Amino acid sequence: EVLLVESGGGLVQPGGSLRLSCAASGINFATSGLSWVRQAPGKGLEWVSFVSGSGASIYYADSVKGRFTISRDTSKNTLYLQMNSLRAEDTAVYYCAKGFQWGYFDYWGQGTLVTVSS
Amino acid sequence: IVLTQSPATLSLSPGERATLSCRASQSVSSYLAWYQQKPGQAPRLLIYDVSNRATGIPARFSGSGSGTDFTLTISSLEPEDFAVYYCQQCSNWPRTFGPGTKVDIK
Repeated sequence: EVLLVESGGGLVQPGGSLRLSCAASGINFATSGLSWVRQAPGKGLEWVSFVSGSGASIYYADSVKGRFTISRDTSKNTLYLQMNSLRAEDTAVYYCAKGFQWGYFDYWGQGTLVTVSS
Repeated sequence: IVLTQSPATLSLSPGERATLSCRASQSVSSYLAWYQQKPGQAPRLLIYDVSNRATGIPARFSGSGSGTDFTLTISSLEPEDFAVYYCQQCSNWPRTFGPGTKVDIK
């Protein structure tokens, strides 16, 4: 069974930092591309970042480029998202999602809520 | 690539046919997927590469289209199909989603 379990969300002040984690099981972690996708309260889905299985390819949405850093630890089967200089508009549920075929998402975690507010 | 979806809301009864549209601002070839999301749940992949059903997806869900215009059809709505549906392209970076179509009970 594939399981993606996010953690690390919470309340943070504007300008602050947070690191999200996504623990994966039931997948070939070393060969799986992984993404972060977020959803602001009551809004639609926004892709945030992607890292390839090897870690050699990394992409970011323009809205987070220069502030967020995606990384992965194959020894721990864990995906990370380091979020710095957080803004109110970063408030969302953050999902990790496993890549499928050319760039779809076939497995998703349950999400972790990040709230940026003073 | 900007994806637009119509209508924003579709009010139908169980057993009726649902037709959802997704339009891309430029060609995405066949690199288009559909997801279903229910309240409080993560999205679920329904269709990929325009018309391929993901594992375990019932045959009442079908997709069609190419280039810039795509359609998700639910042939006969079941009670569990009332949800929000998103299209997504993987032709270009950044990956983008449409704003969603809510299918609710009439």
